[in-house]
Amino acid sequence: SQTIHQWPATLVQPVGSPLSLECTVEGTSNPNLYWYRQAAGRGLQLLFYSVGIGQISSEVPQNLSASRPQDRQFILSSKKLLLSDSGFYLCAWLQGKTQYFGPGTRLLVL
Amino acid sequence: GIQVEQSPPDLILQEGANSTLRCNFSDSVNNLQWFHQNPWGQLINLFYIPSGTKQNGRLSATTVATERYSLLYISSSQTTDSGVYFCAVPAGGDKIIFGKGTRLHILP
Repeated sequence: SQTIHQWPATLVQPVGSPLSLECTVEGTSNPNLYWYRQAAGRGLQLLFYSVGIGQISSEVPQNLSASRPQDRQFILSSKKLLLSDSGFYLCAWLQGKTQYFGPGTRLLVL
Repeated sequence: GIQVEQSPPDLILQEGANSTLRCNFSDSVNNLQWFHQNPWGQLINLFYIPSGTKQNGRLSATTVATERYSLLYISSSQTTDSGVYFCAVPAGGDKIIFGKGTRLHILP
């Protein structure tokens, strides 16, 4: 069966520090992968999506970036975190027309 | 781009009550998903329902694609139904966007 992993589960980082969040998927190949952010409140904001290795579409111009170095690995990065980067980061993959989400990473920038 | 609106934004019900959540979208879609986010943040896919009606236990969903809305019905609510309910639709290519959700609180 397919599973999706995210780590770390929680992270507290100072302003200006770098960030690397990792998402990996098991049990499937060539999935569409997505990064969403959920800030205080409830909306899910699409940040990046990828349809294949090295293919990244950015939805929100900001200080975050994404990479897909391997078929089932999706990484969210930042060189310098801002206070506004705090939130709940969710990775998802698409099977057919149904999305499945990882457990998320809670990021607090102080 | 396509807009997704969910209503009501918040709903408080007594255990055992029924509820109807609505999702309106501004353009035709070939895919619509309903999700439940539990209080711990986990998002669970409830339905993939581009049109028609589906049922799964106490939950059912109906999408009227021609009128650009979908409804999620929860019958005989339980406290475990609490959380936020989202609908999500394609927004061009492989993009999928979410509504702002309906926060449901079921009182024991």
